[in-house]
Amino acid sequence: EDQVTQSPEALRLQEGESSSLNCSYTVSGLRGLFWYRQDPGKGPEFLFTLYSAGEEKEKERLKATLTKKESFLHITAPKPEDSATYLCAVQDGRGSTLGRLYFGRGTQLTVWP
Amino acid sequence: GAGVSQSPSNKVTEKGKDVELRCDPISGHTALYWYRQSLGQGLEFLIYFQGNSAPDKSGLPSDRFSAERTGGSVSTLTIQRTQQEDSAVYLCASSLLSGEDTQYFGPGTRLTVL
Repeated sequence: EDQVTQSPEALRLQEGESSSLNCSYTVSGLRGLFWYRQDPGKGPEFLFTLYSAGEEKEKERLKATLTKKESFLHITAPKPEDSATYLCAVQDGRGSTLGRLYFGRGTQLTVWP
Repeated sequence: GAGVSQSPSNKVTEKGKDVELRCDPISGHTALYWYRQSLGQGLEFLIYFQGNSAPDKSGLPSDRFSAERTGGSVSTLTIQRTQQEDSAVYLCASSLLSGEDTQYFGPGTRLTVL
């Protein structure tokens, strides 16, 4: 059973067209939710960590929010250089899986000029 | 400062051969993780080290996979008798401690088994 589901799988935006990516999770005790950006042929690059419902974090054109069941990554006025795959991951705070991240399959974002 | 480094960046091998993949974590990071990313799949957890011990090996897919970490630093992931389904990108990450700490990833090793 998937613990992290990301939608949409792919998203094409025109430069300046704001949108949101979704990450829903089903872990029993959330320890932390992480957003990463991955460019082709590279490792994931850390963006944000969220720990509790209601928390929000921002970085340039990106803003991440968290509820008890899902997280959103809002992209405001995107630019072509924002094109990448955005990965969501969670840490389960229960059981013996301390430290392990459970990843979604990602949303591939393409921003065209 | 220097990030997580991995070597080799690419490895092509023949079915049945053994391969070793290396990870150098960020200096001072005590926790180290191995993940695998197959085409069209999400990142899959393999193993976690805290210092030199591995409290969670549950993600290793078979007994052909093993990993060790020496001196609380460098880690090696070994795959014996490689199979075509082992083809993937193997990613290493490190964090200052474990638990909630952010994991920082290396560039990965792309393994192709012919």
